[in-house]
Amino acid sequence: GIQVEQSPPDLILQEGANSTLRCNFSDSVNNLQWFHQNPWGQLINLFYIPSGTKQNGRLSATTVATERYSLLYISSSQTTDSGVYFCAVGLGGIYNQGGKLIFGQGTELSVKP
Amino acid sequence: KAGVTQTPRYLIKTRGQQVTLSCSPISGHRSVSWYQQTPGQGLQFLFEYFSETQRNKGNFPGRFSGRQFSNSRSEMNVSTLELGDSALYLCASSLRPGQVGNTNEQFFGPGTRLTVL
Repeated sequence: GIQVEQSPPDLILQEGANSTLRCNFSDSVNNLQWFHQNPWGQLINLFYIPSGTKQNGRLSATTVATERYSLLYISSSQTTDSGVYFCAVGLGGIYNQGGKLIFGQGTELSVKP
Repeated sequence: KAGVTQTPRYLIKTRGQQVTLSCSPISGHRSVSWYQQTPGQGLQFLFEYFSETQRNKGNFPGRFSGRQFSNSRSEMNVSTLELGDSALYLCASSLRPGQVGNTNEQFFGPGTRLTVL
């Protein structure tokens, strides 16, 4: 099955620093999502980005589908950015694995004041 | 529009018991997927329901089952609970592709934290 690898596993930053999180996947996908898991466990949608580049405030993401990787950029980090960031990929269309996401192991980010 | 809701939020059971968790998707979403999150195995796909039919299934034993109702609400059941079933169970809903403008972007509920003693 498809493999999803995230790096780095842990990251410690000073407030105001920038960071890049990486997600590599082993096969073609038609769904790629980035999530932030809050301290209560809920997964918060950051980006739906099977290809291309998107930006939302201090966060942006780029997926290069042909090279099977995605990057999440966090600029001017804040303490509230702390938590675990997950990349998840999905396959297929309406009748083929469309509702199945395969998650990476996550990057645990800690932003210090 | 209300998000995905899950009930109960917390649950404590003992080994051998069974448990039923409930998930109500975002209005208009017809696909519901379930995931288990544990410290050792991370986030793993359990199964997906669409139009009241199980469409995909992860690599879990038959003790894990689910169903979907005509209003797209879904339940999952775990029978004969084991200590290793202690986990955060997350439900996600999506529109499912197949119609113009639809993607299979998934939106998650707050989860049910199950503790098995």
